[in-house]
Amino acid sequence: GENVEQHPSTLSVQEGDSAVIKCTYSDSASNYFPWYKQELGKRPQLIIDIRSNVGEKKDQRIAVTLNKTAKHFSLHITETQPEDSAVYFCAASKTGNQFYFGTGTSLTVIP
Amino acid sequence: KAGVTQTPRYLIKTRGQQVTLSCSPISGHRSVSWYQQTPGQGLQFLFEYFSETQRNKGNFPGRFSGRQFSNSRSEMNVSTLELGDSALYLCASSLGLAGVTAGELFFGEGSRLTVL
Repeated sequence: GENVEQHPSTLSVQEGDSAVIKCTYSDSASNYFPWYKQELGKRPQLIIDIRSNVGEKKDQRIAVTLNKTAKHFSLHITETQPEDSAVYFCAASKTGNQFYFGTGTSLTVIP
Repeated sequence: KAGVTQTPRYLIKTRGQQVTLSCSPISGHRSVSWYQQTPGQGLQFLFEYFSETQRNKGNFPGRFSGRQFSNSRSEMNVSTLELGDSALYLCASSLGLAGVTAGELFFGEGSRLTVL
């Protein structure tokens, strides 16, 4: 089955700096790669996603890049703010709604 | 519209007991999936139901089971509870159109199970 690895597990940045989280996947048939943000005690929520026919997608301060050949994708957050502090999960899926999630990155933005 | 609702939110059980968790999806969503969330393991896929049929199943023992009703509401059951079953169980709903690649999951707030 699919295996998704996520790094780093923890990340601290100064407010205004950029943050990058990286994920690799093993199944070349995976074609949908979402990123979820989970604030403490709350439910995970989708922040951005990318499909395999696209190499990059951007939404304001958040961007995701996908390298199908290398089977890795990354989340980029620019101009970080304290409210960006949360746990971020990457995931991969190829069909239906069976998602394989990474183990999460706890991001702390220091004011 | 109302989000995904899970009940109960918290529960404590002892080893050997069984538990049933309930999930009401967003109106119009036909796919319901369940995930187990534990510290350090992230979210692990349990199973997915679409139109009352189990469409996908993760790598969990047979003690974990589920079902979906005609109104798309879903339940999952864990029998013969073990200490390692302590976790947050998240339900997620999506449109889940048959034959269409995956789309956004809308998660509930979860049911936190503690096994003593």
